[in-house]
Amino acid sequence: AQSVTQLDSHVSVSEGTPVLLRCNYSSSYSPSLFWYVQHPNKGLQLLLKYTSAATLVKGINGFEAEFKKSETSFHLTKPSAHMSDAAEYFCVVSDRAGRRALTFGSGTRLQVQP
Amino acid sequence: EAGVAQSPRYKIIEKRQSVAFWCNPISGHATLYWYQQILGQGPKLLIQFQNNGVVDDSQLPKDRFSAERLKGVDSTLKIQPAKLEDSAVYLCASSLQTSEVPEQFFGPGTRLTVL
Repeated sequence: AQSVTQLDSHVSVSEGTPVLLRCNYSSSYSPSLFWYVQHPNKGLQLLLKYTSAATLVKGINGFEAEFKKSETSFHLTKPSAHMSDAAEYFCVVSDRAGRRALTFGSGTRLQVQP
Repeated sequence: EAGVAQSPRYKIIEKRQSVAFWCNPISGHATLYWYQQILGQGPKLLIQFQNNGVVDDSQLPKDRFSAERLKGVDSTLKIQPAKLEDSAVYLCASSLQTSEVPEQFFGPGTRLTVL
């Protein structure tokens, strides 16, 4: 079985300050992990993915995430928030065996204050 | 490259009525997924097709939900009869089955309101 816990339902930051969105996962197998972003009235977009190569993964728009097996975490970070980063972010896990289905977390809404 | 297309974008129906959603995946994508996203929650997989065969429908409420992908391209998801708790956004996604965990590309979704 696999699951994802996003530790914060809402995060508010000021423009230009760092962003940290926290995610812990549980997986019976070696997982693949993803972060997706959902802007209002737009489809989900892949930000980045981890599939057992480098533990520090760089994604689009300056985001990155670090896979920490010992902590079962995959937190998303960005050094400097931009107003356009305001959106819903989902941490997602997939077992690389079996069905390989995606299991989504409940989401973190990021607000960016001017 | 055109993305995943879905229609309609919005639908309002009364409970016990029927409704159908349509999805056209990215050209060449063999795998197609339907997800249900209830307000305030992450998407939940309902059904996964590989070409026109069902790979996983373990979370599909089969007493009221059905889905088909007859020619391995477009797909329809139907709810009959609808219940209030079916109010959600229904997302379609597609992927190439060329890697261990392929990237899924999502459509804009259909927002269903059941009154």
